[in-house]
Amino acid sequence: KQEVTQIPAALSVPEGENLVLNCSFTDSAIYNLQWFRQDPGKGLTSLLLIQSSQREQTSGRLNASLDKSSGRSTLYIAASQPGDSATYLCAVLGGYQKVTFGTGTKLQVIP
Amino acid sequence: DVKVTQSSRYLVKRTGEKVFLECVQDMDHENMFWYRQDPGLGLRLIYFSYDVKMKEKGDIPEGYSVSREKKERFSLILESASTNQTSMYLCASSRFSRTSTDTQYFGPGTRLTVL
Repeated sequence: KQEVTQIPAALSVPEGENLVLNCSFTDSAIYNLQWFRQDPGKGLTSLLLIQSSQREQTSGRLNASLDKSSGRSTLYIAASQPGDSATYLCAVLGGYQKVTFGTGTKLQVIP
Repeated sequence: DVKVTQSSRYLVKRTGEKVFLECVQDMDHENMFWYRQDPGLGLRLIYFSYDVKMKEKGDIPEGYSVSREKKERFSLILESASTNQTSMYLCASSRFSRTSTDTQYFGPGTRLTVL
């Protein structure tokens, strides 16, 4: 059974700092990995999707990497801003359309 | 923009009531999903559907059923609501591919409280 772990569960950084969020998964047989953002009381917004054949994806200040063999992904946020404060979730897609989510990292960027 | 809407943002029901949660997407997506989200447990898949009238059980289907009569609409049904079904319910949709899956698009969620 796939298990997805995100560490740390919470992170607080000063504005302007670069930061890395971590995601690890136990079964490397995945189709893709996706990073989401969730604001309090809201649904999820997709940030980046990495196919299993890719190593990384970039969107603006965000860069996500994938190392399938080691079962790890990182989300790098450059020059963090208070508006980046949210919970970040990673999700892996395995066989039979099965998506497994991590429990998230709650990020607070302090002005 | 893809839009996934859910019928209610907040819902309060009593134990034993039959509860319907509705989800509609406007992008002609084949796949639709129902999750529940609980603190410390993350998102857990209840049911998903990859076509009209098709459904597959997720990780926690007990106490729930689903209906997909039209491609754009996926309903979650709590036959007899219980207090342990108090949760945030999230609906999502995506295009279908045999080798991978496109981005999942989520609705805003329904916070259900069962008293």
